Amino acid sequence: GAGVSQTPSNKVTEKGKYVELRCDPISGHTALYWYRQSLGQGPEFLIYFQGTGAADDSGLPNDRFFAVRPEGSVSTLKIQRTERGDSAVYLCASSSTPGSSGANVLTFGAGSRLTVL
Amino acid sequence: AQSVTQLDSQVPVFEEAPVELRCNYSSSVSVYLFWYVQYPNQGLQLLLKYLSGSTLVKGINGFEAEFNKSQTSFHLRKPSVHISDTAEYFCAVSHLFSGGYNKLIFGAGTRLAVHP
Repeated sequence: GAGVSQTPSNKVTEKGKYVELRCDPISGHTALYWYRQSLGQGPEFLIYFQGTGAADDSGLPNDRFFAVRPEGSVSTLKIQRTERGDSAVYLCASSSTPGSSGANVLTFGAGSRLTVL
Repeated sequence: AQSVTQLDSQVPVFEEAPVELRCNYSSSVSVYLFWYVQYPNQGLQLLLKYLSGSTLVKGINGFEAEFNKSQTSFHLRKPSVHISDTAEYFCAVSHLFSGGYNKLIFGAGTRLAVHP
């Protein structure tokens, strides 16, 4: 697609529920990143995919969070047993293959705003 | 470890006045530096980047920034702001990790409010 697409744009859920957030990167971008932006803060790195594999998941806060990218394109961020502290905007970004020109520029989606009641 | 400090959480300014948004970073290795802008309810948009070469970089919408290695700063400037520049601005630092990926570390952001 022309840009990075994220769905849903807004998600309201109750504490303890399971949520999935989807990211559709720019066509041909092999690198995909997830970030979390809490209110009043800058985005914080969660996980990086190169192709289908998670090459760096050092930013995932705990084992309730995990992400997949089974076919090397669309990615899903999954949060189990949500807590009120998980409320934030979850941003997805993609870039071209590492080592190529443009690999150092991330293009971000508009984000998915998650509210846990 | 890398970190980014944006010294001002909010910067109010009148239309057509100049503005500077300050950014300092810490890193033990060579870095890449970025400024992103975020308009309400939108994603982050790249304003400009420093990868190497000239320390003065020009970006979109009339913004520019200067990389100062000795002061570990990357301040953003615009000589004359417009109402439409009202937004949140984020400074970010990274270096290429093994495998060549680009892990951005962001500052907390500076809210630029342009008044008529």
